[in-house]
Amino acid sequence: EVQLVESGGGLVQPGGSLKLSCAASGFTFSGSAMHWVRQASGKGLEWVGRIRSKANSYATAYAASVKGRFTISRDDSKNTAYLQMNSLKTEDTAVYYCTRRDVWGQGTTVTVSS
Amino acid sequence: SYELTQLPSVSVSPGQTARITCSGDVLGENYADWYQQKPGQAPELVIYEDSERYPGIPERFSGSTSGNTTTLTISRVLTEDEADYYCLSGDEDNPWVFGGGTKLTVL
Repeated sequence: EVQLVESGGGLVQPGGSLKLSCAASGFTFSGSAMHWVRQASGKGLEWVGRIRSKANSYATAYAASVKGRFTISRDDSKNTAYLQMNSLKTEDTAVYYCTRRDVWGQGTTVTVSS
Repeated sequence: SYELTQLPSVSVSPGQTARITCSGDVLGENYADWYQQKPGQAPELVIYEDSERYPGIPERFSGSTSGNTTTLTISRVLTEDEADYYCLSGDEDNPWVFGGGTKLTVL
């Protein structure tokens, strides 16, 4: 079964950092681009960024709202993608999903508050 | 512009046909996907590449694109189809962009 499981969410103060993980199973993770998408409570979906496969040089791209603060990485040996979030703002509060486009994780909640 | 526009809400009665549209210049260059999201759940892919039904999705769901507008059509709507629907466009070379979402209410 193709599955994505996010973890690492929690409560963090403004200006703080958090690292999310996305564990994949049931498919060839190393060959897939992986994306992060977030959704603030009661709001729509917002693309955060993506990392491509090794064959595509692990190229990353980010939304303007997070560029310079967030970093996406991956460890193909662990079938896991990561989202490192620094300099967090209250507006980063959301459920964060990882997705291959056709398959989505259940999401992990990040709350940025003092 | 790199934006996708959806109406905030659509209402239909059970058994009727619902049409949810998504418009944007980017649709003239890229395929669109449609996602269904029910409260408290992750989005689920319904239609990909404008008109391909994802495995397991009922035939009542179909997609089409004309010019800069893509349309999700749900025939013989059931109460279980009540959800938020999002269009998505973009590929691995370009940023993804989501429409603002359409809340489908089945009266």
